[in-house]
Amino acid sequence: AQSVTQLDSQVPVFEEAPVELRCNYSSSVSVYLFWYVQYPNQGLQLLLKYLSGSTLVESINGFEAEFNKSQTSFHLRKPSVHISDTAEYFCAVIKLNSGGYQKVTFGTGTKLQVIP
Amino acid sequence: NAGVTQTPKFQVLKTGQSMTLQCAQDMNHNSMYWYRQDPGMGLRLIYYSASEGTTDKGEVPNGYNVSRLNKREFSLRLESAAPSQTSVYFCASSPRTGAGGYGYTFGSGTRLTVV
Repeated sequence: AQSVTQLDSQVPVFEEAPVELRCNYSSSVSVYLFWYVQYPNQGLQLLLKYLSGSTLVESINGFEAEFNKSQTSFHLRKPSVHISDTAEYFCAVIKLNSGGYQKVTFGTGTKLQVIP
Repeated sequence: NAGVTQTPKFQVLKTGQSMTLQCAQDMNHNSMYWYRQDPGMGLRLIYYSASEGTTDKGEVPNGYNVSRLNKREFSLRLESAAPSQTSVYFCASSPRTGAGGYGYTFGSGTRLTVV
């Protein structure tokens, strides 16, 4: 069975400091990988995704994530955070199969708190 | 704005009461989903509908029923609410279940409290 582990439930970081949110997954087959962001009292929004090709993917607001197949990781990074990045971040995995329903597994989330 | 619309945004129920959570999407997506979000547990799939006319159980279907009314609408019904169903409920949609690369579009959620 596939699983997604986000070891850090909360990550406090000072404004303009770098941050890394960790995500590890377990799957014996090829996967698609996603990061979603949830701002307070809102639904989840797709932040970025890895499907194939370059292992480094970027979002429009400065986040990036790198797919590392050997370490089965997809960590999210930002070199300089802003107050507006305060949110909860969810890693998600879709196991590829031959068709039909592709089960999405979400991690338990990491709350990023940016401190002024 | 295009997207997924959920109603109501907040609801308080007494144990044993019933209610229906409504969800509609205007993106012409084939697949729709209902999740519940609980602290420390991430999102858990309750039911999904791969296409109009079909529904299937997810990880935690007990105590819930769903109806795919048409391509746009997918409702979730609690027949006899229990305190364990206190949660935030999210509806989501995707072009189709076999197109995982598109990701999901989520609604803004319904906060349900059962007392």
